[in-house]
Amino acid sequence: QVQLVQSGAEVKKPGASVKVSCKVSGYTLTELSMHWVRQAPGKGLEWMGGFDPEDGETIYAQKFQGRVTMTEDTSTDTAYMELSSLRSEDTAVYYCATGPVVPAAPIDYWGQGTLVTVSS
Amino acid sequence: EIVLTQSPGTLSLSPGERATLSCRASQSVSSSYLAWYQQKPGQAPRLLIYGASSRATGIPDRFSGSGSGTDFTLTISRLEPEDFAVYYCQQYGSSPKTFGQGTKLEIK
Repeated sequence: QVQLVQSGAEVKKPGASVKVSCKVSGYTLTELSMHWVRQAPGKGLEWMGGFDPEDGETIYAQKFQGRVTMTEDTSTDTAYMELSSLRSEDTAVYYCATGPVVPAAPIDYWGQGTLVTVSS
Repeated sequence: EIVLTQSPGTLSLSPGERATLSCRASQSVSSSYLAWYQQKPGQAPRLLIYGASSRATGIPDRFSGSGSGTDFTLTISRLEPEDFAVYYCQQYGSSPKTFGQGTKLEIK
């Protein structure tokens, strides 16, 4: 069983960056495709990006390209999502989520979420 | 980008009734790579259905999925009190792996 434990809530000022971590247990990162999904207060789910096993690289949603970086440390089985140039609209719960490392697989495990609040 | 439109936005039903939720795609979803998730307040989403019609591990058989191409349906045959939640569809056949806007299933 995959377990994903995320870092704690963050409060950031507009223009700053935030880096959220996601520790994997039960499996190793190399056995999973890691994705990041966010949810603004009272809103729906928004896929930000994730590993595409077919291409062997991380794909970012166009909306976030240039502002988001998703990385992995396989020595500690920890994934990271860094979002820069924060604005108030980035206030949301950020989830890491995983699927099998095969092409076109659904997301089947989720972290508990990390609330990022952007406020001056 | 594939846009997913869910309907209705809110569905008001009573326990024991049948729920039918719709997800329509702006273009064909390849190989029926369509998933359904349930989300309760303060919780992460939970995978219910993948491949349009396959139940995820541990999901009760009152949940079923159907459809192909651009039209997909999630059916809950007899609503239990714990089924009242928000439901999202997601296509994962192409990037970006878009979600629908959600259907809120509320107690009538």
